[in-house]
Amino acid sequence: AQSVTQLDSQVPVFEEAPVELRCNYSSSVSVYLFWYVQYPNQGLQLLLKYLSGSTLVESINGFEAEFNKSQTSFHLRKPSVHISDTAEYFCAVVRMDSSYKLIFGSGTRLLVRP
Amino acid sequence: DVKVTQSSRYLVKRTGEKVFLECVQDMDHENMFWYRQDPGLGLRLIYFSYDVKMKEKGDIPEGYSVSREKKERFSLILESASTNQTSMYLCASSFQGFQTYEQYFGPGTRLTVT
Repeated sequence: AQSVTQLDSQVPVFEEAPVELRCNYSSSVSVYLFWYVQYPNQGLQLLLKYLSGSTLVESINGFEAEFNKSQTSFHLRKPSVHISDTAEYFCAVVRMDSSYKLIFGSGTRLLVRP
Repeated sequence: DVKVTQSSRYLVKRTGEKVFLECVQDMDHENMFWYRQDPGLGLRLIYFSYDVKMKEKGDIPEGYSVSREKKERFSLILESASTNQTSMYLCASSFQGFQTYEQYFGPGTRLTVT
């Protein structure tokens, strides 16, 4: 069975500081990887995805994530956060041989302080 | 823009009541999903529908049923609500095939069963 682990339930950080949100997965087959973000009182929205090709993927608002196959990780990073980045971030995986099923991690709440 | 709407943001029901949660999407997506979101557990899939009148059980279908009579509408039904069904319920939709993983979420319905 596959699983997704987000060890940090909450990450407090000051504005303009760098941040890393950790995600590790376990799977016996190759996977696709995703980060979703949930802003307060809103549904989830896709932030970025790794399907193939370059292991470093970027979002339009400055986040990036790197797929590390040997460490089975897909950590999310941003070099300088803004107050508006305060949200809950979910890592998710899907097996390449699966038809539809996203497996979500438990989420990490990023709290950006002024 | 894709829009997924859910009939209520907040709902309070009594134990034993029959509860209907409605979801409508306006992007002609084939797939629709119902998830349950609980703190520390992330999102768990309740049911999935890939076409009108078609459904598949997710990870936690017990105590729930679904209905999809029209392509744009997917209903979640709690036949006899119980206190352990107090949760945030999220609806999502997506295209089929490779785009299945890019799911668009509604704002959620926070259900309290007393």
